[in-house]
Amino acid sequence: DQQVKQNSPSLSVQEGRISILNCDYTNSMFDYFLWYKKYPAEGPTFLISISSIKDKNEDGRFTVFLNKSAKHLSLHIVPSQPGDSAVYFCAASLDYGQNFVFGPGTRLSVLP
Amino acid sequence: EAGVAQSPRYKIIEKRQSVAFWCNPISGHATLYWYQQILGQGPKLLIQFQNNGVVDDSQLPKDRFSAERLKGVDSTLKIQPAKLEDSAVYLCASTFLDRDPGELFFGEGSRLTVL
Repeated sequence: DQQVKQNSPSLSVQEGRISILNCDYTNSMFDYFLWYKKYPAEGPTFLISISSIKDKNEDGRFTVFLNKSAKHLSLHIVPSQPGDSAVYFCAASLDYGQNFVFGPGTRLSVLP
Repeated sequence: EAGVAQSPRYKIIEKRQSVAFWCNPISGHATLYWYQQILGQGPKLLIQFQNNGVVDDSQLPKDRFSAERLKGVDSTLKIQPAKLEDSAVYLCASTFLDRDPGELFFGEGSRLTVL
């Protein structure tokens, strides 16, 4: 039973345009959410987080939006760059930082 | 700062054999995690240590998996005996207590193939 879903296995975007990666979750008790980026043969690296008391968090080109009523979060990358090509995982936590549940990932390809 | 070190990077064994993975976290990181990532899936938490105590091992298959963190620094994850379904990348991660709790620092992983 997948508690965190990323329904798009892959996404292709033109360089300079916006990339929007989506994530849905089933447990309304999740209170903390993250995005990680992973390059081949490397471990995931932390991108950005958001707690359930917020609906938006920005860090440079990356913005995460949280819609609690829809149990949905999204990651916006503007503008997209070829170096952003990677697998993106969203994750959620029940106890603010304990036992993160990861989604299966979305592979983003940014085309020059 | 030096990253999370893991070894070996790759291991191929036959089913029913045993294997051990080692992790050296970033210096000063009190919290250490082992995750299992099966191909096409997201990482799944196996065990979380705080210093040398276990915080969460609810998803660790204890009949075959064991982990320890001696002296609150290095950690070892062992599988004995291995099954085909244990084929995965085993990721170690660590973090400071006073950082964003989601900001885990992952190692490159140890890829296990069970034949």
